[in-house]
Amino acid sequence: GEDVEQSLFLSVREGDSSVINCTYTDSSSTYLYWYKQEPGAGLQLLTYIFSNMDMKQDQRLTVLLNKKDKHLSLRIADTQTGDSAIYFCAENSSGGSYIPTFGRGTSLIVHP
Amino acid sequence: NAGVTQTPKFRVLKTGQSMTLLCAQDMNHEYMYWYRQDPGMGLRLIHYSVGEGTTAKGEVPDGYNVSRLKKQNFLLGLESAAPSQTSVYFCASSYTGTAFVYGYTFGSGTRLTVV
Repeated sequence: GEDVEQSLFLSVREGDSSVINCTYTDSSSTYLYWYKQEPGAGLQLLTYIFSNMDMKQDQRLTVLLNKKDKHLSLRIADTQTGDSAIYFCAENSSGGSYIPTFGRGTSLIVHP
Repeated sequence: NAGVTQTPKFRVLKTGQSMTLLCAQDMNHEYMYWYRQDPGMGLRLIHYSVGEGTTAKGEVPDGYNVSRLKKQNFLLGLESAAPSQTSVYFCASSYTGTAFVYGYTFGSGTRLTVV
């Protein structure tokens, strides 16, 4: 079955760039997502990318997609303490199921 | 404000008690979902619904029941709570078709403790 893998933790210094990585196994993935979960809150959609794109940029966020290696990354430029959260990667195939597969989430810790 | 509303936000149950978690959305979404989130386990799908009057099992459905009598509401029931059901429960909803690109809208969660 489909699987989405992420590392569990990432620690960065304020002002540095953060890169959160994700790998997936479903080659028919159509949409890939990054969600952010702040403490005590639900998940919030950060950005998405279609499988026919290589890169998407949105202000401080850059999403890179390597379809050959089935690798997705989220880069946060100039990371701030407010970026501390859990980041979930998710993928959805084009097979008609509207049920994405989520990774286990990466806890981003930003320290001064 | 448009979105997904979950009630209650917190609850403590004794083993064997029952309760119902309510999820309401005002975005006219077709699909609705219930997930549980446990440390180190990520999100696990309990049940979902593709439309009013329909429900389906997810990854971890045992011990839970659901109903979707109205399009905007999705109820999650625990008939006889067990300590293993201590978790944070999230409801989500989404469009279907090409609009699914906009992903899920999540509620803020219900923190349930079973003692």
